[in-house]
Amino acid sequence: DIQMTQSPSTLSASVGDTVTITCRASQSISSWLAWYQQKPGKAPKLLIYKASSLESGVPSRFSGSGSGTEFTLTISSLQPDDFATYYCQRYNGNSETFGPGTKVEIK
Amino acid sequence: EVQLVETGGGLIQPGGSLRLSCAASGFTVSGNYMSWVRQAPGKGLEWVSVIYSGGITYYADSVKGRFTISRDNSKNTLNLQMNSLRAEDTAMYYCVTNPGGGGNWGQGTLVTVSS
Repeated sequence: DIQMTQSPSTLSASVGDTVTITCRASQSISSWLAWYQQKPGKAPKLLIYKASSLESGVPSRFSGSGSGTEFTLTISSLQPDDFATYYCQRYNGNSETFGPGTKVEIK
Repeated sequence: EVQLVETGGGLIQPGGSLRLSCAASGFTVSGNYMSWVRQAPGKGLEWVSVIYSGGITYYADSVKGRFTISRDNSKNTLNLQMNSLRAEDTAMYYCVTNPGGGGNWGQGTLVTVSS
């Protein structure tokens, strides 16, 4: 099975910073990669699908890139509402594994 | 507007069975691929199972042979039959549409496996 890893596991940042989260797949997944944001007690929210496509209604400060085995989620000009946990997910295959998550904390 | 409402969770003893349902509105379950995802208390997201529009199904190794995903097209619902439940199956269970089709999540239903 394909394994997904994320780095860092925790990220401390300030409002206005640009932050980058990396997701790696143990083998190529083409561009079948999604990014989610989750806040405590809430269901996750889709941000990015197919590695770089912004879901409707998601602010343009979120962007995704990559293909194959290495992907990044970038949040430009971090806003107070962005402090949350972010997960990548490989989809459209015989398993839809999530990464372990990256918690973005206030510095 | 797409809406997903999960039901069927509760407290169940180890070895027992539960059937979760996810009522969908705003789209047809049969025309989309859909998944079940769970989250144990304080833990990350774990994919459980997927059913594609053609009916092909896949399962995480942790639930293979114990859980069965299915659709009821007449009721526009997604189901998850869970047998031989274990303490480690305790989690919030979410039904989810595919990321390329909106990536919508329900509010979840809590399953607690405990004696």
